[in-house]
Amino acid sequence: KQEVTQIPAALSVPEGENLVLNCSFTDSAIYNLQWFRQDPGKGLTSLLLIQSSQREQTSGRLNASLDKSSGRSTLYIAASQPGDSATYLCAVRRARNTGTASKLTFGTGTRLQVTL
Amino acid sequence: EAQVTQNPRYLITVTGKKLTVTCSQNMNHEYMSWYRQDPGLGLRQIYYSMNVEVTDKGDVPEGYKVSRKEKRNFPLILESPSPNQTSLYFCASSLGPVGYNEQFFGPGTRLTVL
Repeated sequence: KQEVTQIPAALSVPEGENLVLNCSFTDSAIYNLQWFRQDPGKGLTSLLLIQSSQREQTSGRLNASLDKSSGRSTLYIAASQPGDSATYLCAVRRARNTGTASKLTFGTGTRLQVTL
Repeated sequence: EAQVTQNPRYLITVTGKKLTVTCSQNMNHEYMSWYRQDPGLGLRQIYYSMNVEVTDKGDVPEGYKVSRKEKRNFPLILESPSPNQTSLYFCASSLGPVGYNEQFFGPGTRLTVL
């Protein structure tokens, strides 16, 4: 059974710092991995999606890397801003599925606070 | 504006009183899903639907029902709610299969069952 872990559970950094969020998964047979952002009282917003054949994806100040063989992904946020404060979730799609629709397994998230 | 809407946003009810949480999307998406989010457990999929009249169980379907009579709507039904169904519920939709395509999430419904 796939298990997805995110450490740390919470992180507080001053504005302007570069930071890395970690995601690990137990079954390396994944199809892809996604990073989401969740703001309080709101749903999830997809940030980046990395296919299993890719090593990284970039979007603005965000860079996500994937090392499938070691079961790890990182989300790098450059020059953090208070508006980056949110909970960040990673989710993996299993390579083999039961049924015709695939499923995502989510981590429990890292709650990030960027202070002034 | 492309969006997924859920109603109600907050609901407090009592054990055994049937309730329905509605979900609607305006993006003509085929795939829709329901998740629950609990502290320490992350998001877990309850049910999903690949198209009208096509639904299947997710990881935690017990105690829930769904229907997909129209493409845009995917209501979640709790026939006899219990306190262990107190949770934050999210509806999501995507153009194609979950995991292949970006999912769009609704704002969430916080349910408390007393």
